[in-house]
Amino acid sequence: EAGVAQSPRYKIIEKRQSVAFWCNPISGHATLYWYQQILGQGPKLLIQFQNNGVVDDSQLPKDRFSAERLKGVDSTLKIQPAKLEDSAVYLCASSRAQGGVNSPLHFGNGTRLTVT
Amino acid sequence: AQKITQTQPGMFVQEKEAVTLDCTYDTSDPSYGLFWYKQPSSGEMIFLIYQGSYDQQNATEGRYSLNFQKARKSANLVISASQLGDSAMYFCAMRGYNNNDMRFGAGTRLTVKP
Repeated sequence: EAGVAQSPRYKIIEKRQSVAFWCNPISGHATLYWYQQILGQGPKLLIQFQNNGVVDDSQLPKDRFSAERLKGVDSTLKIQPAKLEDSAVYLCASSRAQGGVNSPLHFGNGTRLTVT
Repeated sequence: AQKITQTQPGMFVQEKEAVTLDCTYDTSDPSYGLFWYKQPSSGEMIFLIYQGSYDQQNATEGRYSLNFQKARKSANLVISASQLGDSAMYFCAMRGYNNNDMRFGAGTRLTVKP
């Protein structure tokens, strides 16, 4: 099966600019996650979708970050305006269903964002 | 709240030897799953092994095994017969029945020496 697809692979922007990331999960996976991974740290959850509804966005900085998953498949994550501290790798992941403690997350290759 | 702790920022192991990467966790969930992921320098997160909180036996997947001690809340990863390609970051993660998002530790960087 095809894996989780993410684009772009790399992005360099100046602070106060906006940027958007795209993710296409594994076919049939109902749950989609966006994680932020700052260099040298573990991934931190930003937002979790179940189909096209938000399950958890408690750690999403909503003053500048937004995410949507229209039609319950593809998802986009946007940052506007970007700050220097947003420099990180943004990982998208998907899993079969919410509620299954035994379901691993399958990750895309990530988007490496550099804010200058 | 869920918390994952990996106390080893970096580990070295000689090729063909075994190595143990430590992970402790804390959760109020009665049911949970523990996972290990490998992240090579290329950046992708690769799922390695899973252990359920009610599993009676320790999980094994090829050269990977999980030393699960529920009372001590530890889930250490054991890699046997290390290979140069095992050099990477390794993350311990947990997913609870009530707190269903997956939380990660800070990771351990493993370097395999020839």
